[in-house]
Amino acid sequence: DGGITQSPKYLFRKEGQNVTLSCEQNLNHDAMYWYRQDPGQGLRLIYYSQIVNDFQKGDIAEGYSVSREKKESFPLTVTSAQKNPTAFYLCASSPLANTEAFFGQGTRLTVV
Amino acid sequence: QKEVEQNSGPLSVPEGAIASLNCTYSDRGSQSFFWYRQYSGKSPELIMSIYSNGDKEDGRFTAQLNKASQYVSLLIRDSQPSDSATYLCAVSRLGYNTDKLIFGTGTRLQVFP
Repeated sequence: DGGITQSPKYLFRKEGQNVTLSCEQNLNHDAMYWYRQDPGQGLRLIYYSQIVNDFQKGDIAEGYSVSREKKESFPLTVTSAQKNPTAFYLCASSPLANTEAFFGQGTRLTVV
Repeated sequence: QKEVEQNSGPLSVPEGAIASLNCTYSDRGSQSFFWYRQYSGKSPELIMSIYSNGDKEDGRFTAQLNKASQYVSLLIRDSQPSDSATYLCAVSRLGYNTDKLIFGTGTRLQVFP
């Protein structure tokens, strides 16, 4: 089945720990995005990538890092520098920048 | 000024009525406009896209775009209780290092029987 797969669905992080969220797509899409959603809030852009080996910061990139070594994969690392990481993280991809984007099922990250 | 603005709602409409959802955006260079539906606890799903001025219809949904007024709307005809969700407006423009898909905070729609 074609689609966007995020894993894990639920993730628990201890204080001071780095964690990596996985996002894989088999749609042959060029552009990929990471968003964060807090309860009752809209989606805020963390990072985005239009091509392999290139990515740009979004509005709330501090405390996060990404890589785009393969077209299919765009992992997000939540570092210990992110002081309030508890949120719903959504990965999306689109065929080209500026076209329709489709979402994975999301990862809920909780700090314990 | 927020890049994409939506009334948070809730917008309550009776079953069978027309629901009208509105969105304004600040970047006049914006080229692509999208409406997503998000059920509680789920990820957003794309329901409409519109790229040029005017109306675009798909089943019970109609998207309307007015670039001069920087305004995009979504009409849902014959609203059903299953339409109860948060509707997110998203806007994009093309350009290296400038292209990004920006979302509004969403409007919560409640359709009551």
